[in-house]
Amino acid sequence: GNSVTQMEGPVTLSEEAFLTINCTYTATGYPSLFWYVQYPGEGLQLLLKATKADDKGSNKGFEATYRKETTSFHLEKGSVQVSDSAVYFCALSGDNAGNMLTFGGGTRLMVKP
Amino acid sequence: DTEVTQTPKHLVMGMTNKKSLKCEQHMGHRAMYWYKQKAKKPPELMFVYSYEKLSINESVPSRFSPECPNSSLLNLHLHALQPEDSALYLCASRLTTGRTGELFFGEGSRLTVL
Repeated sequence: GNSVTQMEGPVTLSEEAFLTINCTYTATGYPSLFWYVQYPGEGLQLLLKATKADDKGSNKGFEATYRKETTSFHLEKGSVQVSDSAVYFCALSGDNAGNMLTFGGGTRLMVKP
Repeated sequence: DTEVTQTPKHLVMGMTNKKSLKCEQHMGHRAMYWYKQKAKKPPELMFVYSYEKLSINESVPSRFSPECPNSSLLNLHLHALQPEDSALYLCASRLTTGRTGELFFGEGSRLTVL
């Protein structure tokens, strides 16, 4: 079956630091990959996505590249802000009934001024 | 309009109460979902409706009863819940159940069962 593994948090960074949150997956076929962000007290928002190998998703300074050879979709940002403090979920879609999303466990990011 | 709207935002109920959670979207999406999220955990899928028909039920107890009156609305009827059912309930929609489409989530209904 499908699975997504994320680095455990919390990740604590100072403002303007470089961010990497690792995500690896297991799936057959050609899944689509997503990063969602959840701010405190809110639902999940799509941050970026990639639907085929070597695609790069980007949004709000965040980037992730779909690497089929390493089955990875690591999230990066060059300079984090306090407002980026949230929980980040990596997810994949594909190869199951209804193409259901399989979520990773989530990584909490805390950015200090 | 790219919103999924959920009501109420907060709900407190006793174990003998009957209540409902409501979800609405006007994006023309034909797949709608209910998820349950406990603190510090990822969302867990409960139900999927595709073209207004229940397509997936992830072995959810019968005290949760979903309903899809039309393509824009999704309800979750609650009856005889247990304290362990306290959680954030998220509604989501997607254009179809195709693998490339992203889910759009509402802000959730936070349920407390006393």
